[in-house]
Amino acid sequence: DSGVTQTPKHLITATGQRVTLRCSPRSGDLSVYWYQQSLDQGLQFLIQYYNGEERAKGNILERFSAQQFPDLHSELNLSSLELGDSALYFCASSADPDRGTDTQYFGPGTRLTVL
Amino acid sequence: AQKVTQAQTEISVVEKEDVTLDCVYETRDTTYYLFWYKQPPSGELVFLIRRNSFDEQNEISGRYSWNFQKSTSSFNFTITASQVVDSAVYFCALRGRNQGAQKLVFGQGTRLTINP
Repeated sequence: DSGVTQTPKHLITATGQRVTLRCSPRSGDLSVYWYQQSLDQGLQFLIQYYNGEERAKGNILERFSAQQFPDLHSELNLSSLELGDSALYFCASSADPDRGTDTQYFGPGTRLTVL
Repeated sequence: AQKVTQAQTEISVVEKEDVTLDCVYETRDTTYYLFWYKQPPSGELVFLIRRNSFDEQNEISGRYSWNFQKSTSSFNFTITASQVVDSAVYFCALRGRNQGAQKLVFGQGTRLTINP
């Protein structure tokens, strides 16, 4: 158990809908990362937050947004869902990304299926 | 741009054989960090090891060992006396140090199957 929690574990929804994925980082970790794992794209970085502020963005679609709250949990919002958004979404957290010893620990993932 | 290549898509061996998973990386950073993660059939990503670019010492942890060679930009992973429980997808990853470069860049993964 990495200490990172994600809910829900599975999500099935229809095209055009909007969903919210939730992540709670390990105790004490300030940085949260979101990654998408799909068969064709592999593991891709979406976005990073550090202590409530957005720090880096990857190839995140405009239909997707995220935020990190004062209690450091994070939510990833996916809207106008398309079939191609079906994937495993991982949240990771780390203590201090500016330190060389920093390591990202991953949650169990949320499997999103868009029908 | 940073890039990680795991040329072996799938490897299948018989239990107790030794197996090496290859990882080659590209980066222009002078300081960077390399990682291996394991993804068992249950789906979670499990951290195995981190290696800093300025530390080329090889590392051994039980049946696992890692060989880091900056000269060839490689960070290979060897499992000795493999066991069925080692069956998983293994990912090599790279990240930089500076803000904006702290994301993990993953290879495509190697699916390892250990047959009894």
